[in-house]
Amino acid sequence: NAGVMQNPRHLVRRRGQEARLRCSPMKGHSHVYWYRQLPEEGLKFMVYLQKENIIDESGMPKERFSAEFPKEGPSILRIQQVVRGDSAAYFCASSPDSPGANVLTFGAGSRLTVL
Amino acid sequence: SQQGEEDPQALSIQEGENATMNCSYKTSINNLQWYRQNSGRGLVHLILIRSNEREKHSGRLRVTLDTSKKSSSLLITASRAADTASYFCATVPSGGYQKVTFGIGTKLQVIP
Repeated sequence: NAGVMQNPRHLVRRRGQEARLRCSPMKGHSHVYWYRQLPEEGLKFMVYLQKENIIDESGMPKERFSAEFPKEGPSILRIQQVVRGDSAAYFCASSPDSPGANVLTFGAGSRLTVL
Repeated sequence: SQQGEEDPQALSIQEGENATMNCSYKTSINNLQWYRQNSGRGLVHLILIRSNEREKHSGRLRVTLDTSKKSSSLLITASRAADTASYFCATVPSGGYQKVTFGIGTKLQVIP
């Protein structure tokens, strides 16, 4: 079991370009979370998804950001028309279906730098 | 806004000493968890304590939970240089779905 896989690990984009971050959850996990972390800060919740459904996107900016977790394939966090303030580490985590489990397994993160 | 708030935000101790970190939260919880993050890495789950539990141990870790005060503490005994990391508490609300919300973290430095 390879754990939670995120790619790319590092991504550099110019202002106005699009960034796509991918997350493959652990085998058997159907819950995916995305968090954003600025240097020396905590994790800010962005979005919580189950297969094909967005459960809570209250932490995600209304514009330019979107997330999906299709029936097949990884979860994608998409940032359109990136700005310098989007530079951060984006962490994905997954958890199993067991009720009340909620224990998250994290990926190593994707570090986005916007020039 | 973040649910949990850890204090202190930074802590520096000598190897062998105990380290205590505190976490306060605002709403009713199903459980509270502590995670560790080494610099530049993802978070690693350490321990989970349910709302009906008051204390839990795992190796050199001891977690307490006081739901009346909405607070938790993480004690690391006999600290080692390898314990140097940031420690985050995370809360899962009671009822509803499994949203896990993190605090701002405590940065622990253990000096050899």
